Amino acid sequence: KAGVTQTPRYLIKTRGQQVTLSCSPISGHRSVSWYQQTPGQGLQFLFEYFSETQRNKGNFPGRFSGRQFSNSRSEMNVSTLELGDSALYLCASQGRTAEAFFGQGTRLTVV
Amino acid sequence: QKEVEQNSGPLSVPEGAIASLNCTYSDRGSQSFFWYRQYSGKSPELIMSIYSNGDKEDGRFTAQLNKASQYVSLLIRDSQPSDSATYLCAVNWDTGGFKTIFGAGTRLFVKA
Repeated sequence: KAGVTQTPRYLIKTRGQQVTLSCSPISGHRSVSWYQQTPGQGLQFLFEYFSETQRNKGNFPGRFSGRQFSNSRSEMNVSTLELGDSALYLCASQGRTAEAFFGQGTRLTVV
Repeated sequence: QKEVEQNSGPLSVPEGAIASLNCTYSDRGSQSFFWYRQYSGKSPELIMSIYSNGDKEDGRFTAQLNKASQYVSLLIRDSQPSDSATYLCAVNWDTGGFKTIFGAGTRLFVKA
């Protein structure tokens, strides 16, 4: 059974640019959650998608957005990048329970 | 008060000892509780879930939940150097979906 796949693994972007990250959940899982992890703030909840609908949202500015496709794959977009957006972005796949299975993450560096 | 609070540590225990990790959370209705382990440079991996008051044992790990005290803990028996990692406590509140909030994590060092 394939795990959670996130692409790309690493990204370097310039301030002001935008970026799109992708996540393919475990087969059969319909919920995808996104997290930002930084040394200072730990794991911060961004949002959760289920059946193409955002069900929950964290306390991030509107520059952070996401979507989910009919095959449960999800994308996360960050517009107008700031230096503080440099972080590890993790996607979590959830099935019928809240047990989360994480992908390897995308390391975003904003310069 | 933060939603999920953990002592950041580091917690250092000798090999073979019991490591005790603690977590408190805000009381906001129905919840489920999880412990994740994160090695440096890796993603978090689920090691225990607990849904009702009491103890739940899985191998060398025991999770304990006390909803009246808003407290959840993880005991690691016979600690091994390979247990050295950051342990994350997580709470999911029933919001009609999944909104799992993580604590800042406790760094555990097991000395050989």
